[in-house]
Amino acid sequence: DAGVIQSPRHEVTEMGQEVTLRCKPISGHNSLFWYRQTMMRGLELLIYFNNNVPIDDSGMPEDRFSAKMPNASFSTLKIQPSEPRDSAVYFCASSFTLSGAPNGYTFGSGTRLTVV
Amino acid sequence: QKEVEQNSGPLSVPEGAIASLNCTYSDRGSQSFFWYRQYSGKSPELIMFIYSNGDKEDGRFTAQLNKASQYVSLLIRDSQPSDSATYLCAVNPNSGGSNYKLTFGKGTLLTVNP
Repeated sequence: DAGVIQSPRHEVTEMGQEVTLRCKPISGHNSLFWYRQTMMRGLELLIYFNNNVPIDDSGMPEDRFSAKMPNASFSTLKIQPSEPRDSAVYFCASSFTLSGAPNGYTFGSGTRLTVV
Repeated sequence: QKEVEQNSGPLSVPEGAIASLNCTYSDRGSQSFFWYRQYSGKSPELIMFIYSNGDKEDGRFTAQLNKASQYVSLLIRDSQPSDSATYLCAVNPNSGGSNYKLTFGKGTLLTVNP
């Protein structure tokens, strides 16, 4: 299994530009999570999907952030316009969940975003 | 109020010693607890999970859960330099239902000295 695949690994962009992060979950997993990690705030959940449906987007910072999951094998996180405070490592994770207790996630390698 | 609290460390132990990592959580209804290890510049990887009060052992790792005290810990026996990493505690803050999100602590940096 290739694991959770994220692209790009690194992204440097100028303030005001649009940024799109991509994620391919593990085949067969039905839940997908987007997290952001910074030294100050640690790992923060932005949004998660179950069976391609957004379940909880309460962690999305503001309207500049949007996420989609058009099918079971692909998700995007878009930031428009980007700001320097968006600089962080963005992780995608997936898991297989049934009703009841969640299973642990498998994380992708992350995208290190720098907004200058 | 922070939902999951961990001592940021660094926690320094000699090789071969027992490392003890601690975590407290605020939501008394939490049911599922996870420990992740994160090497510098890498992604978190799952070490083990625990759902019931008491101890759960997996190789050199033991997770301990005390729901009455809202406390979960991870013991690493015979610590090795390769165990040097940040250890993240994660909690599912809701009891049952279809909420599968995990809330993470900020992690404890462990250093094992040869």
